[in-house]
Amino acid sequence: DVKVTQSSRYLVKRTGEKVFLECVQDMDHENMFWYRQDPGLGLRLIYFSYDVKMKEKGDIPEGYSVSREKKERFSLILESASTNQTSMYLCASMPLRGDYEQYFGPGTRLTVT
Amino acid sequence: KQEVTQIPAALSVPEGENLVLNCSFTDSAIYNLQWFRQDPGKGLTSLLLIQSSQREQTSGRLNASLDKSSGRSTLYIAASQPGDSATYLCGRGSTLGRLYFGRGTQLTVWP
Repeated sequence: DVKVTQSSRYLVKRTGEKVFLECVQDMDHENMFWYRQDPGLGLRLIYFSYDVKMKEKGDIPEGYSVSREKKERFSLILESASTNQTSMYLCASMPLRGDYEQYFGPGTRLTVT
Repeated sequence: KQEVTQIPAALSVPEGENLVLNCSFTDSAIYNLQWFRQDPGKGLTSLLLIQSSQREQTSGRLNASLDKSSGRSTLYIAASQPGDSATYLCGRGSTLGRLYFGRGTQLTVWP
């Protein structure tokens, strides 16, 4: 079974802090994704990566950066957390591009106060 | 802009009913379509993937179909149970692998 794990289930940070959210997958998948989910807005793509050290902006990259130094790990970085970044963050992975299932982690509920 | 719409937004039914959840998208050049289930406060669990060359997929009491020409997919749930209560999301796939999501249908099945 594919396993996607996220470093924290719940996280509380203060405005202005630098925040790291980590995602690890154990199936040697090339593609990894970061989404955020907000009530009434659904899931929106922040960044994705199709290979080590490669990244592509999604629909809402502002205020975020990412790092993929190893194939299994994809990190989302909030350089200076703000209250409007309070959200559920979901990581996903899939093999190659296109016609495969995308697998999701359990999510990190981030609250910025 | 890729838009995915799910109807209805919420559905409450008694146990045993057969259900149809709908997903429509603006761009008919869809690659594939994936249906997910999400329990409150949890991540997404993949239910069915309709691959680019397919029109239908089945798993147990679930059946999903895809009509690319009309830009629609349906998820059929047979003989619903209280354990089916969750939010159901459809994700429209692209060749790059990213998914475009609808806002979900919140399903409640009561005993």
